[in-house]
Amino acid sequence: GAVVSQHPSWVICKSGTSVKIECRSLDFQATTMFWYRQFPKQSLMLMATSNEGSKATYEQGVEKDKFLINHASLTLSTLTVTSAHPEDSSFYICSAALTTDTQYFGPGTRLTVL
Amino acid sequence: EDQVTQSPEALRLQEGESSSLNCSYTVSGLRGLFWYRQDPGKGPEFLFTLYSAGEEKEKERLKATLTKKESFLHITAPKPEDSATYLCAVILTGGGNKLTFGTGTQLKVEL
Repeated sequence: GAVVSQHPSWVICKSGTSVKIECRSLDFQATTMFWYRQFPKQSLMLMATSNEGSKATYEQGVEKDKFLINHASLTLSTLTVTSAHPEDSSFYICSAALTTDTQYFGPGTRLTVL
Repeated sequence: EDQVTQSPEALRLQEGESSSLNCSYTVSGLRGLFWYRQDPGKGPEFLFTLYSAGEEKEKERLKATLTKKESFLHITAPKPEDSATYLCAVILTGGGNKLTFGTGTQLKVEL
């Protein structure tokens, strides 16, 4: 139980284009989903917290107009990286909260911007 | 400022050589502490949640303990498949369900 999927697992795009990443909770309903990014050899940095049916809460320093988050249902959240640039290349990971505290993570999406 | 520090940064063990990983925290108020395992190129895998000082949780060769200042992840008789990065994270009182992660300990278990 508590399985979270992400799609795609990896994506390569040209600079200036937008990329959408999907995060799904497969066997439970998640009122809250989270988006993280992770650079090589570093830990996870929270980007935003997403609650179903409401606007996402972004962490300080994360551009909300660049990283668009939609949480349309209890099992799906999407992250769109708009006008991507090489510095946006990273490993993006989502998580979903089954209970108030425990987060279950997706397998991650490797984004490379050329 | 709330801080979560893990040590060592990297650890190399021989198969069967037991050891412990440390997660120390300086936070305004701890609501819960989590241990995750992360394999290269994958998302973190949930291992344990600890809420109270003195609490212990076990799973196979892993045992997590919690005090008022730190948590330990004990690995008994590790196998090569235990090689991974182990992440500690905390949830703070009044912090909703936001996780603050430590930088991790990269464990390698050799034959």
